[in-house]
Amino acid sequence: EDQVTQSPEALRLQEGESSSLNCSYTVSGLRGLFWYRQDPGKGPEFLFTLYSAGEEKEKERLKATLTKKESFLHITAPKPEDSATYLCAVQGNQGGKLIFGQGTELSVKP
Amino acid sequence: SQTIHQWPATLVQPVGSPLSLECTVEGTSNPNLYWYRQAAGRGLQLLFYSVGIGQISSEVPQNLSASRPQDRQFILSSKKLLLSDSGFYLCATRRGNEQFFGPGTRLTVL
Repeated sequence: EDQVTQSPEALRLQEGESSSLNCSYTVSGLRGLFWYRQDPGKGPEFLFTLYSAGEEKEKERLKATLTKKESFLHITAPKPEDSATYLCAVQGNQGGKLIFGQGTELSVKP
Repeated sequence: SQTIHQWPATLVQPVGSPLSLECTVEGTSNPNLYWYRQAAGRGLQLLFYSVGIGQISSEVPQNLSASRPQDRQFILSSKKLLLSDSGFYLCATRRGNEQFFGPGTRLTVL
């Protein structure tokens, strides 16, 4: 069964304190791994898609990386506006639907 | 670009009452459409998806149903709401390999 586990559940950082969020997955035939950002009371906002181990994507202070078992979302010198819940999802070759993790709630204090 | 509208934004309903949530999409034709529910644990659960008018696939058997009366309209319904139907309901569409989400409807069943 396809499964996604994100850790930690919550992360508190000081502004400028870099860190990483983890997304571990098991999937039959990875077709894509997706990262989303979700602000309270809003729909998830698409960030990145990764397709194969070794691939990296960057956007401002965020960098996503992928291995055969997990993905990391690295946040460099975060700012308070980076505070949000970050969701990871995988798409396997069984039906193509997205399987989401529970998310990591990131809080960045000034 | 695609825009997803969801109506209403918030809803408070008594147990046993009916439900109708609407999702409309602009900027595309014949989109794949999805209904997700996000409960308090933050994970997204796929409820229904549709690849065309009148074509609905159900992922989780439950108290809800979906319909697609028009190309860019997706409706989520229930005849009798349960307490467990409370949650944040998200409509999504697909562009390429990525899914993009609407603003969501917050449903509280009392």
